[in-house]
Amino acid sequence: GDSVTQMEGPVTLSEEAFLTINCTYTATGYPSLFWYVQYPGEGLQLLLKATKADDKGSNKGFEATYRKETTSFHLEKGSVQVSDSAVYFCALSLLTGGGNKLTFGTGTQLKVEL
Amino acid sequence: KAGVTQTPRYLIKTRGQQVTLSCSPISGHRSVSWYQQTPGQGLQFLFEYFSETQRNKGNFPGRFSGRQFSNSRSEMNVSTLELGDSALYLCASSLSPAGGGNEQFFGPGTRLTVL
Repeated sequence: GDSVTQMEGPVTLSEEAFLTINCTYTATGYPSLFWYVQYPGEGLQLLLKATKADDKGSNKGFEATYRKETTSFHLEKGSVQVSDSAVYFCALSLLTGGGNKLTFGTGTQLKVEL
Repeated sequence: KAGVTQTPRYLIKTRGQQVTLSCSPISGHRSVSWYQQTPGQGLQFLFEYFSETQRNKGNFPGRFSGRQFSNSRSEMNVSTLELGDSALYLCASSLSPAGGGNEQFFGPGTRLTVL
């Protein structure tokens, strides 16, 4: 079946540090890839997405590149802020046959300190 | 434009009872999906509805059911509640029925506690 594996957390960084959260996937079909963020007490918000190989999704300083050869979609940000503290989820959705079903990774908690 | 709304936000039930959760999608969105979030299992897909029809279903027992109304509002029902059903239940809506890179908009969730 389809699955997403992302690095274990929690990740603790100092403000302005570089962030990488690793994400790899296996899919039975051609997937679209997503990063969602969840702030305490809230639902999920789409952070960025990529729908085909070599696409780069970006938003709010975060970036991720769809790497089909390594089945990866790692999240990066050059300089994190305290306000980036949240849980980050990598997810996939199949292009055909899966409807809008999202398969999520386990989530990575990020804590940014001053 | 109003976002996805879920009611109630918090719910406490006892084992053996049943519960109904409600989700109102963004205006114009016809696809509604439900997810269960727990610390142990993470985020798991329950089912998706489009135009009042269930299009996709996850691996949950038959105690979990749902439906969608003609105005796209959706409800999910859990019968004979078990302690393990305690979770945050998230609803998401999407404009398009097709799969792939559609953005899904999530509600704040309903926190269900089973005692």
